[in-house]
Amino acid sequence: LAKTTQPISMDSYEGQEVNITCSHNNIATNDYITWYQQFPSQGPRFIIQGYKTKVTNEVASLFIPADRKSSTLSLPRVSLSDTAVYYCLVGDQVPDNFNKFYFGSGTKLNVKP
Amino acid sequence: DTEVTQTPKHLVMGMTNKKSLKCEQHMGHRAMYWYKQKAKKPPELMFVYSYEKLSINESVPSRFSPECPNSSLLNLHLHALQPEDSALYLCASNPMGGQDYGYTFGSGTRLTVV
Repeated sequence: LAKTTQPISMDSYEGQEVNITCSHNNIATNDYITWYQQFPSQGPRFIIQGYKTKVTNEVASLFIPADRKSSTLSLPRVSLSDTAVYYCLVGDQVPDNFNKFYFGSGTKLNVKP
Repeated sequence: DTEVTQTPKHLVMGMTNKKSLKCEQHMGHRAMYWYKQKAKKPPELMFVYSYEKLSINESVPSRFSPECPNSSLLNLHLHALQPEDSALYLCASNPMGGQDYGYTFGSGTRLTVV
């Protein structure tokens, strides 16, 4: 089972770039890395997913080194509305073509004005 | 429709009550999940359904009983709960059951057991 380790919390200011790193030393060959954002009393929201190198979408970038033992979520120019908990997930590949996801502790990002 | 809809949004029940949580998606996803989330904690996996069959039960007490009547609907039947079962219950779905598509979560049901 691939466990993930993230910083418990991070502070930033509006307009800054924020990088949140996740460690997943036991990642399996077939596992993808997925990041979610969660606001209080809401369900997690998919942000970005990747397997290796770099992935970019309209809200974030995901950097994955060659050994895949860590990954970094990059949020460009954060705003107050980006204050949330960010989870890094690594799936546990099982037969029958489905996965069970275990959430790590997550990183509470506080964006200040 | 790209949403997972959970009802009710809030539920208060006594320890002797029987209630049900409902989750619905019309995205054609064939894997559906129940998670439990306590305050300031990450979501914990409870059950996984794949193609309407229970595939994983994470040693959840029998007072929680999942049901998947069809590919679009997932229920969680509750009976004789304890106050410590109060939490946010989240439903999620995934199209192929694989992780390369990400998961879509509902907004959750806030359950309070009194």
